[in-house]
Amino acid sequence: AQSVTQPDIHITVSEGASLELRCNYSYGATPYLFWYVQSPGQGLQLLLKYFSGDTLVQGIKGFEAEFKRSQSSFNLRKPSVHWSDAAEYFCAVGAGGGADGLTFGKGTHLIIQP
Amino acid sequence: NAGVMQNPRHLVRRRGQEARLRCSPMKGHSHVYWYRQLPEEGLKFMVYLQKENIIDESGMPKERFSAEFPKEGPSILRIQQVVRGDSAAYFCASSPARDGNTEAFFGQGTRLTVV
Repeated sequence: AQSVTQPDIHITVSEGASLELRCNYSYGATPYLFWYVQSPGQGLQLLLKYFSGDTLVQGIKGFEAEFKRSQSSFNLRKPSVHWSDAAEYFCAVGAGGGADGLTFGKGTHLIIQP
Repeated sequence: NAGVMQNPRHLVRRRGQEARLRCSPMKGHSHVYWYRQLPEEGLKFMVYLQKENIIDESGMPKERFSAEFPKEGPSILRIQQVVRGDSAAYFCASSPARDGNTEAFFGQGTRLTVV
């Protein structure tokens, strides 16, 4: 069975500092990996996705993520966070495109300190 | 092009009542997915529909829950005889296809409270 672990429930980062959110997955085949962001009371917005090819993927809002098959990880990074980045971040794994049968992690709540 | 529209945004039901949640996909999107988010949890897949057909309902509870996506009109997630444990945020997503490069777009969700 597929699963996603986001080990950090909360992370606090100072504005302007770098960010890394961790994601580990368990999946039997080649995974499709996603990072979504959810602002309070809002739906989910796709930040980036990995299907194949270059293991370092660039997303929107200055985010990037690196797929490491040997570590079963897909960590999200940003070199310099902004106060507007405060939100809930979800990592997800699936078998294909669209949103069929995605397995989500429990999320990491990002707090930005001034 | 409007995004995925879900209504109502908030719904309060007494135990035993029925809840109907609506999802209008983005224009041109024929694939619809429903997810449930319990407090302090990630989203859990419920069902995937493609115009008039249920493609994957592996995440749907066996009783009281049903979903449809008619030829005309929005997709409906129906919960009969609601119980307190059904209180959650229900999200709908849509996509134009399901191949590897297709992105799905999520709506803002319907927050169901059962009292």
